Amino acid sequence: ETGVTQTPRHLVMGMTNKKSLKCEQHLGHNAMYWYKQSAKKPLELMFVYNFKEQTENNSVPSRFSPECPNSSHLFLHLHTLQPEDSALYLCASSQDRGNIADTQYFGPGTRLTVL
Amino acid sequence: AQKVTQAQTEISVVEKEDVTLDCVYETRDTTYYLFWYKQPPSGELVFLIRRNSFDEQNEISGRYSWNFQKSTSSFNFTITASQVVDSAVYFCALSGPPRTTDSWGKLQFGAGTQVVVTP
Repeated sequence: ETGVTQTPRHLVMGMTNKKSLKCEQHLGHNAMYWYKQSAKKPLELMFVYNFKEQTENNSVPSRFSPECPNSSHLFLHLHTLQPEDSALYLCASSQDRGNIADTQYFGPGTRLTVL
Repeated sequence: AQKVTQAQTEISVVEKEDVTLDCVYETRDTTYYLFWYKQPPSGELVFLIRRNSFDEQNEISGRYSWNFQKSTSSFNFTITASQVVDSAVYFCALSGPPRTTDSWGKLQFGAGTQVVVTP
């Protein structure tokens, strides 16, 4: 596997379900990100993890719960979602060298549909 | 606050035509970084280019070229001799200086421009 991978690629869930999205990066990066891309809206940053520590929570509802067990893996746990949460969820990673703004590399995304 | 404006929602061209995508940005930072990403129908955002605010040289990579004009806060992208495989949504993005509280790690994306290339 190379780059940033995400599973599953597609997910359909009911509002009472609990599911998790998984992201894995094979680039040796130290920072990982979750973005939400809804139809007709710009990409929205949700969470940032740097060296496994959460450094950004962009006012995301608590029904989205991120987890970063190590620098290579990032999860997004979902529970009691709403239909408006249906979107493409993109994971990204970057080197984080501290002194410059590194390029973020994105995974293919998980297309989530909440019924 | 940072802002990126891509005023063109959709551009349709016939194969082999050139297409220019506009990107205008706003920032109070003196150090910043500009990016272009391509999002084909598969959904993955593909990195195309990264420029820092101190490097105003235009860049060419194959059929792609970028024109960075700091005086007009623009970072425009041109595809020369377009091909059907260029059909995608293209995003311009802006990032602030590293290790500042407000903007580190945050990519501010524009709304994207859908490019449709027909044979």
